[in-house]
Amino acid sequence: DIQVTQSPSSLSASVGDRVTITCRASQTITNYLNWYQQRLGKAPKLLIHAASRLQNGVPSRFSGSGSGTDFTLTISSLQPEDFATYYCQQSYTTPTFGQGTKLEMK
Amino acid sequence: EVQLVESGGALVQPGGSLRLSCAASGFTFNANWMHWVRQAPGKGLVWVSRINSDGSVTKYADAVKGRFTISRDNAKNTVYLQMNSLRVDDTAVYYCARDLGWNDFDYWGQGTLVTVSS
Repeated sequence: DIQVTQSPSSLSASVGDRVTITCRASQTITNYLNWYQQRLGKAPKLLIHAASRLQNGVPSRFSGSGSGTDFTLTISSLQPEDFATYYCQQSYTTPTFGQGTKLEMK
Repeated sequence: EVQLVESGGALVQPGGSLRLSCAASGFTFNANWMHWVRQAPGKGLVWVSRINSDGSVTKYADAVKGRFTISRDNAKNTVYLQMNSLRVDDTAVYYCARDLGWNDFDYWGQGTLVTVSS
């Protein structure tokens, strides 16, 4: 299976900050990389698919980039509702998820 | 509005069986692949299984292969996960999810909790 490694595993930030989370795949996955947000006690929500395509209804402050093995999720200006855990997931082969990045309020 | 509603989670003893259901509405169910994803308490997301649109092709994670069976009834707009020989490490919230187009998940249910314990 292809492994995906996220960093950092946790992150403290303030409202209005710009935040970047990275994801690295163990082999090339072209652009088959997706990002999810999971708020506490809730189901995951798809934010970005195919590395950079914003899912319908997701605010434009979220963006994704990368190809091959290295990818990033960027939140341009953190809002209070963005404090959550974020997961990357490769869909090039049998799906695998990163271990998650917990975004906490500073 | 797309909705996925899981049911069937329960407390079960090691070695026992359980069948989860996921009732879908708000979209053309027989056009989409469906998946099960699980999350152990306090842990990350783990993909479990998928089924294609007509139910003829399935795939499983190694951890559940031979013990779990995914199926679907397109007349009832429902996908199932039959879980046999349950182990303590199968304890998790189980989510069903709709495939957007390539093993990416655009809609998720609220999850159903399976607890395996004696």
